[in-house]
Amino acid sequence: SQTIHQWPATLVQPVGSPLSLECTVEGTSNPNLYWYRQAAGRGLQLLFYSVGIGQISSEVPQNLSASRPQDRQFILSSKKLLLSDSGFYLCAWEQDRGPDTFGSGTRLTVV
Amino acid sequence: AQSVAQPEDQVNVAEGNPLTVKCTYSVSGNPYLFWYVQYPNRGLQFLLKYITGDNLVKGSYGFEAEFNKSQTSFHLKKPSALVSDSALYFCAVRDGGSYIPTFGRGTSLIVHP
Repeated sequence: SQTIHQWPATLVQPVGSPLSLECTVEGTSNPNLYWYRQAAGRGLQLLFYSVGIGQISSEVPQNLSASRPQDRQFILSSKKLLLSDSGFYLCAWEQDRGPDTFGSGTRLTVV
Repeated sequence: AQSVAQPEDQVNVAEGNPLTVKCTYSVSGNPYLFWYVQYPNRGLQFLLKYITGDNLVKGSYGFEAEFNKSQTSFHLKKPSALVSDSALYFCAVRDGGSYIPTFGRGTSLIVHP
């Protein structure tokens, strides 16, 4: 079956520390993958999307970066977190002109 | 350019009554339209989508939505609401020629017992 895994579920990090969030999918190959951020429980902001290994498109200039080292792995990173990076981060996978499937999310609090 | 609007921040309905959550969109090409539901502190769950074909789309948990091209709308409906339907609902649109979907701001559905 096809599944998407995202971890960790919650994270509390100090300002200026690095960040690495990981998303992996199973049961498919060459998926289109997305990273979103949701602030204050409402609208989703698309951060990055990827149509293949090493292919990353950034939608919003910011303190974050993304990488896709393997076909089914999508990583969101930061070298130095800001307070404004706090939010709920969601990975999503396009199965059929989606995004169709979302991960369970990571609640990031920068203190 | 593409955009989507969910004109209601909150919808209140009594259990057993029909519910409608509104969504209108704007795209330059053919629209792909989606509905998702989000429970507190959870990821979004896909409900249904319109890509092509029948204007009435049936999805998970008894939800359905009707694509109306002339009114550029894709309202989510359910004949009989359940308390467990209370959640945040998101509409999204994607121009058929783009990888990038645009999400609405979400509508909070509250179903009263």
